[in-house]
Amino acid sequence: DSGVTQTPKHLITATGQRVTLRCSPRSGDLSVYWYQQSLDQGLQFLIHYYNGEERAKGNILERFSAQQFPDLHSELNLSSLELGDSALYFCASSVGGGVPYEQYFGPGTRLTVT
Amino acid sequence: DAKTTQPPSMDCAEGRAANLPCNHSTISGNEYVYWYRQIHSQGPQYIIHGLKNNETNEMASLIITEDRKSSTLILPHATLRDTAVYYCIVRASNRDDKIIFGKGTRLHILP
Repeated sequence: DSGVTQTPKHLITATGQRVTLRCSPRSGDLSVYWYQQSLDQGLQFLIHYYNGEERAKGNILERFSAQQFPDLHSELNLSSLELGDSALYFCASSVGGGVPYEQYFGPGTRLTVT
Repeated sequence: DAKTTQPPSMDCAEGRAANLPCNHSTISGNEYVYWYRQIHSQGPQYIIHGLKNNETNEMASLIITEDRKSSTLILPHATLRDTAVYYCIVRASNRDDKIIFGKGTRLHILP
């Protein structure tokens, strides 16, 4: 158990819908990272927040947005969902804002878009 | 594109040392080498990281060549529970830390 929690564990929804994925970092960690893992794309970095501030953006679609709240939990919002958005979504946390700190990953949310 | 190159798969006998290579020939001076592993569809697990010196922890050892263009992760006594995909990534020590995972090495531990 990494100490990072993600809810929900599974989510099934229809195309065109909007969902929110939630991540609670380890106690004391200020950074939250979001990743998408689909079968054909591997693990893709989406976005990094540090203490409420966006630090780096990866290949995150415009239909996706994220934020980190004052209590440091983070939410990833996915809208106008398409079949290709079906994937595992992981968040990770770390104590600092980048290297040399290690990241601890949550168990993931499996999103299925039908 | 990933900044690292790893063999797609490797086999190792249980109880033997597993040596996983990683090529990062374009690494720059402020980039660290990190290793993670992912067992089935679980969240990736941090293993070890280093800048230029060799590192060891309770899980593994990391050997970085002097020119820093390649590294090797060593699992000293592999067990069946070490079967996983192992990712080698490089990360820069700046604010714009876009982490790029490649395809990793699928390590099979053979009984």
